[in-house]
Amino acid sequence: AQSVTQLDSQVPVFEEAPVELRCNYSSSVSVYLFWYVQYPNQGLQLLLKYLSGSTLVKGINGFEAEFNKSQTSFHLRKPSVHISDTAEYFCAVSEGNAGNMLTFGGGTRLMVKP
Amino acid sequence: DTAVSQTPKYLVTQMGNDKSIKCEQNLGHDTMYWYKQDSKKFLKIMFSYNNKELIINETVPNRFSPKSPDKAHLNLHINSLELGDSAVYFCASSQEWAYEQYFGPGTRLTVT
Repeated sequence: AQSVTQLDSQVPVFEEAPVELRCNYSSSVSVYLFWYVQYPNQGLQLLLKYLSGSTLVKGINGFEAEFNKSQTSFHLRKPSVHISDTAEYFCAVSEGNAGNMLTFGGGTRLMVKP
Repeated sequence: DTAVSQTPKYLVTQMGNDKSIKCEQNLGHDTMYWYKQDSKKFLKIMFSYNNKELIINETVPNRFSPKSPDKAHLNLHINSLELGDSAVYFCASSQEWAYEQYFGPGTRLTVT
C-alpha cells in the first residue's frame, strides 16, 4: 500500500525568502505524484504533477518540484514566496491503477510573514 | 464556469438523520471521487467511480453510498449520521483513472 509523509506540519518563512516543503512517499510500484494547494475555506487546486519524463516539474505560481526516485521524494520549492502563498499544501500519490485513489500526506501549512 | 460544484456548501444536521450531498462536474470527465477531510486537515479517499467500476475504500462505513444518476454527477448519501461524520467532504473528477483530479469547493458537514 502506498503512503505519503510530509515531514513538516508548519513552515514559517519571511516574504521573498525561498521555501522547500518536503514530501516522501512509499509504494511498491511506479507512481504519479502531485502537489495541491488549499487556501482557507476553499477546495484543493492542483499546483503541479509528475507523471513521467523530466524529474523537474514546473507548476503554477512559480512553484516547482523534483522527483527523486532513489530517495522516494517529491519536494516542492519556490525561490521567493509572497504573502499570498500562505496556505495548506498537500502532497499526493497515485498508482494510476483502477480506482486512481489519491493518497494524501498530512499537509504542510506554509505561513509567509511580512 | 465552475468546473466541479457541490451543494450545499454547509450542512448542519442531527445525529441519526439521513442526508445527501450533490456533486456536478462540467469538465466532461468520466471518473469522479469523494474525499473526507477531518478537523486536522487529513484527506482520505472514500470512493472512486466511473461508468465501469465503483471502487470503495474498505474503511468507509456502509452508511455512506455514492449514487450517480449520470456521468456528470456523483452524489453522496449518508444514512444514520454520527458525530464522527462531521468533516469537510470534497468531490473531485478526472479523465480516466490515471490523471490529475479536479476538486470541488467542499461541503462542511456538522452533525450535532
